[in-house]
Amino acid sequence: EPEVTQTPSHQVTQMGQEVILRCVPISNHLYFYWYRQILGQKVEFLVSFYNNEISEKSEIFDDQFSVERPDGSNFTLKIRSTKLEDSAMYFCASSERGRGRGEAFFGQGTRLTVV
Amino acid sequence: GIQVEQSPPDLILQEGANSTLRCNFSDSVNNLQWFHQNPWGQLINLFYIPSGTKQNGRLSATTVATERYSLLYISSSQTTDSGVYFCAFRGGATNKLIFGTGTLLAVQP
Repeated sequence: EPEVTQTPSHQVTQMGQEVILRCVPISNHLYFYWYRQILGQKVEFLVSFYNNEISEKSEIFDDQFSVERPDGSNFTLKIRSTKLEDSAMYFCASSERGRGRGEAFFGQGTRLTVV
Repeated sequence: GIQVEQSPPDLILQEGANSTLRCNFSDSVNNLQWFHQNPWGQLINLFYIPSGTKQNGRLSATTVATERYSLLYISSSQTTDSGVYFCAFRGGATNKLIFGTGTLLAVQP
């Protein structure tokens, strides 16, 4: 069964460092997303991406965040200068359709710890 | 803004018991999904159910779009059902899923 895969599964980084989280969405999907979940809290939307551009972003997704689809299969989230409060589980997701419709499938997550 | 509320927040069951989890949302629905977050943090898709009823083994779900709620039924619960259950809602022209705060389920042997 097709699935969304994320690497790495865990990452520990020092405050102020740049991190890149990687995702391979399901191959025929066109819409890609990043979400995050701070420990013990609910899952929050960060950004959606379609046709090589950001289609929607939350207020959390400020200038320190960026997304990219560098080739036909990978989708990345970069955090430029990490802060302690960026520690969270980051989920990548993809869907075949957008604009409110279509089932979203989530990767297994990357647990980011900023020390 | 759009609200997604889940109840109950916590639930403890004995193995074999049945339960109903509820998700209320505040806007017209295009997409309603139920997820199980396992102890490793993975979000497992349970149902994509913007309307109607679906069943998958011991689990079933119903969404009544006109009344803006969805229900997840777990029958004959097992210890492996433990974890957090999230509903997530998408309405209007937005692409984002809005997650509820979850129901923490503990099934005891």
